[in-house]
Amino acid sequence: EIVLTQSPATLSLSPGERATLSCRASQSVSSSLAWYQQKPGQAPRLIIYDASKRATGIPARFSGSGSGTDFTLTISSLEPEDFGVYYCQQRGWYITFGQGTRLEIK
Amino acid sequence: EVQLLESGGGLIQPGGSLKLSCAASGFTFSSYAMNWVRQAPGKGLEWVSGISSSVGGTYYTYYPDSVRGRFTISRDNSKNIFYLEINSLRVDDTAIYYCAKGDRPFCSGGGCYFLDSWGQGTLVTVSS
Repeated sequence: EIVLTQSPATLSLSPGERATLSCRASQSVSSSLAWYQQKPGQAPRLIIYDASKRATGIPARFSGSGSGTDFTLTISSLEPEDFGVYYCQQRGWYITFGQGTRLEIK
Repeated sequence: EVQLLESGGGLIQPGGSLKLSCAASGFTFSSYAMNWVRQAPGKGLEWVSGISSSVGGTYYTYYPDSVRGRFTISRDNSKNIFYLEINSLRVDDTAIYYCAKGDRPFCSGGGCYFLDSWGQGTLVTVSS
């Protein structure tokens, strides 16, 4: 099983600030990594796939980078609607998710 | 527009069985793999099963070790519905169960799926 470890567990920032979220895989997944956003009471939403490609309708302030075992999700300038929980997911070997990073308003 | 609608959740006693359904619309259902993901109260996401599109008449099913043997995924392409049957329910199966569309028809050397559309979830509560 490929384990994904996300850091930090919680990130407290203000609107307009830059957010950097990390995801580390226990073994290489090449670029087979996605990021999801989940808001309270809602289903997750795909925002980044193949490590760096934005899903349909996702604003350009969201960007992904990395390959192999280390990945980063960056939100360049936080909007109020960006706060929630973010999960990474690998598909290199079946499917596993990271434990999530909670992005909260400071 | 892709739409996924789960049903079948509820309150079940430990040891019981349950069959969840997910009705799909807005895309060519038979051409994509479909999946179930669950989320226990206050916890993260856990993928629990996937089923491929037809590959020469065969549907490939995938499960993590944590649920293999108790969970069974199936699909009915004539109705655009897929299912998750859970047997020997345990208290720790309590969760919201989401259905999700895969972004490709089957797992291959390039890996399995990203999940590009999700339903709103159905709550399963296992309690006596």
